Amino acid sequence: QKEVEQNSGPLSVPEGAIASLNCTYSDRVSQSFFWYRQYSGKSPELIMSIYSNGDKEDGRFTAQLNKASQYVSLLIRDSQPSDSATYLCALDSGAGSYQLTFGKGTKLSVIP
Amino acid sequence: DVKVTQSSRYLVKRTGEKVFLECVQDMDHENMFWYRQDPGLGLRLIYFSYDVKMKEKGDIPEGYSVSREKKERFSLILESASTNQTSMYLCASGPGTSGTDTQYFGPGTRLTVL
Repeated sequence: QKEVEQNSGPLSVPEGAIASLNCTYSDRVSQSFFWYRQYSGKSPELIMSIYSNGDKEDGRFTAQLNKASQYVSLLIRDSQPSDSATYLCALDSGAGSYQLTFGKGTKLSVIP
Repeated sequence: DVKVTQSSRYLVKRTGEKVFLECVQDMDHENMFWYRQDPGLGLRLIYFSYDVKMKEKGDIPEGYSVSREKKERFSLILESASTNQTSMYLCASGPGTSGTDTQYFGPGTRLTVL
């Protein structure tokens, strides 16, 4: 059974700081990795995808992937109160499957 | 932009009722999924479909069935609703492009079974 582990939080950071969210996974066959943001009472929204080792930047968001160490992280620079949400890590199930395995999410709170 | 819509945001049903949840996507995606999300349990896959009239069981299919008669529409059916099926139900769709597997979610249906 593929496992995706995230610290449930809450992770509290002051406004303007860098928030660092981490995710580890158990299965080496995964090739596609995703970060979703979910506001309370809303559905998950895709914010980042990453497929290769290294960093991928999109505005204030940077996704980092290290397949050898089996972790993927999300950095949020200049955190804003509007970034307060639960962040879900997801990865593909490998072997041509179109299923994703989701972590249970890390709750981020940005303090004004 | 990808748009996935679900028939209801909130739904209240009684035990034993048959419940239909509808999902429609407008991006010509091959794959569609139904999840439920419960506090502390995360997202759990109920069923998915990778083609019209095709369906595959996910992790928790018991008590549910699905229908996909048209590419853009994927329905989840609770044959006889029970209180333990009270949950947030999320539909997602994805292009089915090998190597990307992206999924886009609808707004969700919060179902309460009394």
